[in-house]
Amino acid sequence: AQSVTQLDSQVPVFEEAPVELRCNYSSSVSVYLFWYVQYPNQGLQLLLKYLSGSTLVKGINGFEAEFNKSQTSFHLRKPSVHISDTAEYFCAVRQGAQKLVFGQGTRLTINP
Amino acid sequence: GAGVSQSPSNKVTEKGKDVELRCDPISGHTALYWYRQSLGQGLEFLIYFQGNSAPDKSGLPSDRFSAERTGGSVSTLTIQRTQQEDSAVYLCASSLAGKSDTQYFGPGTRLTVL
Repeated sequence: AQSVTQLDSQVPVFEEAPVELRCNYSSSVSVYLFWYVQYPNQGLQLLLKYLSGSTLVKGINGFEAEFNKSQTSFHLRKPSVHISDTAEYFCAVRQGAQKLVFGQGTRLTINP
Repeated sequence: GAGVSQSPSNKVTEKGKDVELRCDPISGHTALYWYRQSLGQGLEFLIYFQGNSAPDKSGLPSDRFSAERTGGSVSTLTIQRTQQEDSAVYLCASSLAGKSDTQYFGPGTRLTVL
């Protein structure tokens, strides 16, 4: 079964600093990968997804991620974070035709 | 347009009682998914509907859990004889048919079993 591992449970950064949230996947077949964001007391919102094609994927709110097959990684990056980016971020892989398998989540805290 | 809605937003129940959680998907979305978010287990898939049928129920944790969907729209997740370990946020998502790569999530129902 496919799975994802988010290497950091919490990431504190200062406002306007760059951030990278790490995600590794385990699969020997082609994968569909996703990053979702969950703001406090809200549902999940899709940030970006990799299905095929260009390995650099751009998403909403200035986030991007790079699919790296050799390192089985799909790290999320933003060059300059804002207080409003404080949230929990989930990496996910599609398993089978329909369901998503999520990582444990990374809580991003932005300090002024 | 309206997003995925779920009700109630919060539910507190006593151990042993039955609960029903409701999900109203985005209009026109024939695919519907239930997930559970708990402290110990993270985000887990429960069940997937295409129309009114559920081709994938592999995530339902026990036979106390069931779900149905009527009219290809609203879905109800029922938990019978609730246990404390059922306490979690239950999330519903929907998508267009064949577009599971773009699932839209509702705000969730927070279930607390005392």
